[in-house]
Amino acid sequence: EAGVTQSPTHLIKTRGQQATLRCSPISGHTSVYWYQQALGLGLQFLLWYDEGEERNRGNFPPRFSGRQFPNYSSELNVNALELEDSALYLCASSLGGIGKNIQYFGAGTRLSVL
Amino acid sequence: RKEVEQDPGPFNVPEGATVAFNCTYSNSASQSFFWYRQDCRKEPKLLMSVYSSGNEDGRFTAQLNRASQYISLLIRDSKLSDSATYLCVGTLGAGSYQLTFGKGTKLSVIP
Repeated sequence: EAGVTQSPTHLIKTRGQQATLRCSPISGHTSVYWYQQALGLGLQFLLWYDEGEERNRGNFPPRFSGRQFPNYSSELNVNALELEDSALYLCASSLGGIGKNIQYFGAGTRLSVL
Repeated sequence: RKEVEQDPGPFNVPEGATVAFNCTYSNSASQSFFWYRQDCRKEPKLLMSVYSSGNEDGRFTAQLNRASQYISLLIRDSKLSDSATYLCVGTLGAGSYQLTFGKGTKLSVIP
């Protein structure tokens, strides 16, 4: 069974551009989470989607946005890129529901902003 | 106060040693706890869930102390392959499905 898949693996952008990152959850998982991990730092929670709805949002500016599609895949958009947005962006999925919140991670997209 | 706090380390231990990590959480209503492992420049992977009664998986033992709001991970007979960052993880509060991650404790097992 396929795990969480993310694309692209690497993304290089310049300041002011927009980046789109994609995530496909494990089959049967309805919840998708996005995290940012800057080099040497911990995971910072970005967004949580479940059943197509945004359930919670971390302490990030509005230029970080996303959506979840009917097939439960998800997209993270980062507008007006800044140098400090350079990081590993991790997507995780879970079954959703009480007692089913173990998250499984994809390999991440490494975003470099020049 | 951070929701989940861990000693960042690094812990440098020789092969075969026993090492213990502790983690504290701030929300007494948090229900579920886990330990994840993250290798350098890789994604976090679930190591084990943590139960009030304590649970063991081979060389790894996890314990939850609700009264003191801390979680522990014990690794016996350390292997070189255990070198990684260990993330303490818990739910935000009662009925919450969302996980909050500690910043991790780095372990280096040296020959």
